[in-house]
Parts: sequence; structure tokens; C-alpha cells
Amino acid sequence: DGGITQSPKYLFRKEGQNVTLSCEQNLNHDAMYWYRQDPGQGLRLIYYSQIVNDFQKGDIAEGYSVSREKKESFPLTVTSAQKNPTAFYLCASSIGPLGVYNEQFFGPGTRLTVL
Amino acid sequence: AQSVTQLDSHVSVSEGTPVLLRCNYSSSYSPSLFWYVQHPNKGLQLLLKYTSAATLVKGINGFEAEFKKSETSFHLTKPSAHMSDAAEYFCVVTDSSYKLIFGSGTRLLVRP
Repeated sequence: DGGITQSPKYLFRKEGQNVTLSCEQNLNHDAMYWYRQDPGQGLRLIYYSQIVNDFQKGDIAEGYSVSREKKESFPLTVTSAQKNPTAFYLCASSIGPLGVYNEQFFGPGTRLTVL
Repeated sequence: AQSVTQLDSHVSVSEGTPVLLRCNYSSSYSPSLFWYVQHPNKGLQLLLKYTSAATLVKGINGFEAEFKKSETSFHLTKPSAHMSDAAEYFCVVTDSSYKLIFGSGTRLLVRP
């Protein structure tokens, strides 16, 4: 079964702790993305990677970090510098880099709650 | 700058009646437009996309949308709502570098 997996589904963190969200895809897609979703709002782009070992900041990168050491994996670290980390985090991938024909496929999401 | 406005935060319809979810966009060039659906605590699924071909776009599950440049609109319709259509719907436009710009979403409620 091809797809995108995100783990865990629910994550709780104490204030001041860093936490890493996992995103894995077996679609052989080159590009991967991280979005944040807050209640009553659309998704906002945090980071994206169009190829292995390269990534770019999105619109709300402050307080987050990523790595792209393998094609199938794009973990997101929420650092203690992120002032408002409680949100639903969605990972996506596309077969090629950003472009009109490169549809993004989404994972099931991780809900992060900071206690 | 590109932006997208979903005109209704909530829409309620009876099962078997038509669905209309409204979306207006702002763009300085010819954008690509999408509708995505999200069921509770799930990821997003692409319903349909417009990429400057036919202005009437057919998607999955009986949904369709019409691109109207003169009105800068891309409304989503379905002739007959089903209970399983209850979800949140996002209208999305691409910016000049093809990044996705999301609307704030419309929650569709389907009454039995």
C-alpha cells in the first residue's frame, strides 16, 4: 500500500521541550511539505523540501526545524522557541517539485498538544 | 499577492439536496485552483483541480466546480448531498511559485 504515514497520531509535550514529528512516504516522491492547521483556519506552510538534502522555509518557519537525509523521510522538530505549538500538523508529498501538475498528497496528520 | 476567500464558514443542507460552497480568489496572473476535503482528524484529499484547461472541472464523488475569471470565483457544487459528504472543504490557489494558499475552510453539515 503506497502512502504517507505520520506518527504519532496524538502527541503531548511539556512546555520548553523539543519534539519531533515523523513523516514517511513510500510513493517515491521527490518533494515533501509540512503544514500547520489551527482551528477555523486553512493550512499554512512551515517548510518544504523539493529534493533530498535540500529544504526551504515556508511562511511560518520560526520555531521549527527539518531535515531531509532520505528521500522517504522528512521529520519536523518543534522547538521550545515555537511560541504557540499546539496545532494539527500535516505532512504532504508530490512527485516532483512545486509545479502546476504536481498534486500534493497528504498524510493523516499529528495533533500536538502542549501542556 | 494571491489570496482565497471562502464566503461561508458553515453550510447546512438536507440529504439529497444540492450543495454549493463558494470561493473567490485574488490573483495577478492565471492561477491553478483546487478543492480539497478533510474529514474529522484526517488528512486532506483532492476533490478536483483547475489548471487552465476546461473551465468546468469534474472531480470525485460527484463534485464539480466552475472557474469564472470575470467573477474571480471557483464555486464547488454537487447535485445531491450524501451523509458521507459532511466534512470540511478547502479552496486553494497557487502563488507565483506554485505554493498552495489555503482558504479558511467551509464546514458542510448534511441533515438526514
